[in-house]
Amino acid sequence: KQEVTQIPAALSVPEGENLVLNCSFTDSAIYNLQWFRQDPGKGLTSLLLIQSSQREQTSGRLNASLDKSSGRSTLYIAASQPGDSATYLCAVSMYSGGGADGLTFGKGTHLIIQP
Amino acid sequence: NAGVTQTPKFRVLKTGQSMTLLCAQDMNHEYMYWYRQDPGMGLRLIHYSVGEGTTAKGEVPDGYNVSRLKKQNFLLGLESAAPSQTSVYFCASSLGGLARYNEQFFGPGTRLTVL
Repeated sequence: KQEVTQIPAALSVPEGENLVLNCSFTDSAIYNLQWFRQDPGKGLTSLLLIQSSQREQTSGRLNASLDKSSGRSTLYIAASQPGDSATYLCAVSMYSGGGADGLTFGKGTHLIIQP
Repeated sequence: NAGVTQTPKFRVLKTGQSMTLLCAQDMNHEYMYWYRQDPGMGLRLIHYSVGEGTTAKGEVPDGYNVSRLKKQNFLLGLESAAPSQTSVYFCASSLGGLARYNEQFFGPGTRLTVL
């Protein structure tokens, strides 16, 4: 059974710092990996999708890397801002029949950016 | 373009009552999913569908039924609600098929309390 772990569980840093969130998974035969952010009481917003054949994806100040063989992904946030405060979730999908099945989620990293 | 919408946003049930949660998407996505989110447990897949008229079980399907009669709608039913089904329920959808098309987009959630 696939298990996804996110470290740290919580992180508080001053505004402007670059930071790294970590995600690891136990079964390396993933189909893709997706990073989300979730604001309190809200739904999930997709940040980045990395296919299993890719090494990284970038969107603005966000960069996600994937090392499938070691079962790891990192989300790098550059020049953090108070608006980046949220819970960040990592999730992986496995191949099933004609495509991917549902996602297996980590429990998230709760990030606070201090002004 | 509303994306993924969920009805209702909040609901309180008594043990033994039944209800149906409605998810609708206007992105012409093939795949749809139901997840539940519980403190300390993260998000877990309940059921999913890879196309109109299809359904499949996820990690925690017991006590739930689903139907996908129309491509744009995915219904989640609770026949006899139990306090253990108190949770926040999220619906998601994706194009499906190849990994690069399987980015999942989430609705705002339904907060359900069973007394």
